[in-house]
Formats: sequence, structure tokens, C-alpha cells
Amino acid sequence: ETGVTQSPTHLIKTRGQQVTLRCSSQSGHNTVSWYQQALGQGPQFIFQYYREEENGRGNFPPRFSGLQFPNYSSELNVNALELDDSALYLCASSLFGESDTQYFGPGTRLTVL
Amino acid sequence: GEDVEQSLFLSVREGDSSVINCTYTDSSSTYLYWYKQEPGAGLQLLTYIFSNMDMKQDQRLTVLLNKKDKHLSLRIADTQTGDSAIYFCAEKGAGTALIFGKGTTLSVSS
Repeated sequence: ETGVTQSPTHLIKTRGQQVTLRCSSQSGHNTVSWYQQALGQGPQFIFQYYREEENGRGNFPPRFSGLQFPNYSSELNVNALELDDSALYLCASSLFGESDTQYFGPGTRLTVL
Repeated sequence: GEDVEQSLFLSVREGDSSVINCTYTDSSSTYLYWYKQEPGAGLQLLTYIFSNMDMKQDQRLTVLLNKKDKHLSLRIADTQTGDSAIYFCAEKGAGTALIFGKGTTLSVSS
């Protein structure tokens, strides 16, 4: 069974740039959720994708957008990067349903200069 | 509103039991989770409990849920140095999101 994978591991961007982060879900899972974890904080929910559509969104501006592909993998796109976007971005996959237990990938560390 | 509170730091000696506490506010929470995060890594699911249960045991881990007080605890028996990490409590309410606390840093000394 393959776990959740994310790429890249680390990324450095400058303010105003755009970034795309990628996630492959665990085999057998059909739902992907994205979280932002700032230093010293717990993860904050960005959004979830199920059946290639957004299925719930946290308190993040529209410059945070996403996609889910037919193979259930997903992308997180962030436009017009700000310094405060520097964080660990975590992807979690799950099987859609009542329990929806989420399994996390190793994360992508984004630094915005 | 939804909010999860945890104490920030716990220090124990190797071989002792550790108890990490959490309070949550959403009475509609259906599942409550404990995740472990080691430095520079993602979150590892340790265990979870359904809201109609009081207790769940899984090897060295025991989860206690007091739904009346909205209090969740994680007990780690025979704590080892490899258990040193940040532990997050999370609740899943009616929506799709997991709501996390800020995490409790467990330090285990030999």
C-alpha cells in the first residue's frame, strides 16, 4: 500500500510569485484535503477535494486554489505569494464517508522571501 | 465556534506514563483524533475515537473521552525517548475539516 506523497519537499519563492504543490493520495482513497501549518501552530484547513470538485473550504482567500485529477491526485496553487504564506503545506487523503479518517503526507516546506 | 485547546508542553522520564489533555468546543464532533508530528515531518495518525465511546485502548495508547466536559486525553504507557514529538488533538465536526489544537510538545528524558 502506497502512502501519501507530496512534491516538492522544499520550495523557496519571492513575494508576488505563484506556486504549485502536488499530492498523490494513498491507494484506495478518493478524497484529498490540504492544510497550512505555520511555525509553532496546528494545521489549518484550506480545502478538500472529492470527485474533482471542492468539497469544503476554510478561511483562506481565493488566491489559494486547487485541483483534483481523475486518479485522485491533487494540486494546491497559491497566487500572489505573501510573506505570511511561508509554512508547511500538508496534504491528507481519505476515503469519503462518515469517518473520513485522514492520512497525511510529509508536507512541502514553502519559504517566501 | 470550533476551538481545540491543549497544554503546550509536557516533560516525563523514560518508563513513566504520559497523559496529554485536550478540550474541544464543538458538541457535534463525531470523531476525535490524536496525531504525532516529529521534527520536520508530516502528521502520523496515532488513534481516533468515535464520539459515542468513552475509552479506546491500542497497545501502549489509551484514549479517554468525557463528552459531557468535552475533554479528551491520550495516555502513553511506558513512555520511550522515541515518543518525544508534538502531539495534536483534532476534532471532526459536521463539516469536512479537521480542527487542530496547537499541539503538545512531549519531552522524554532518560
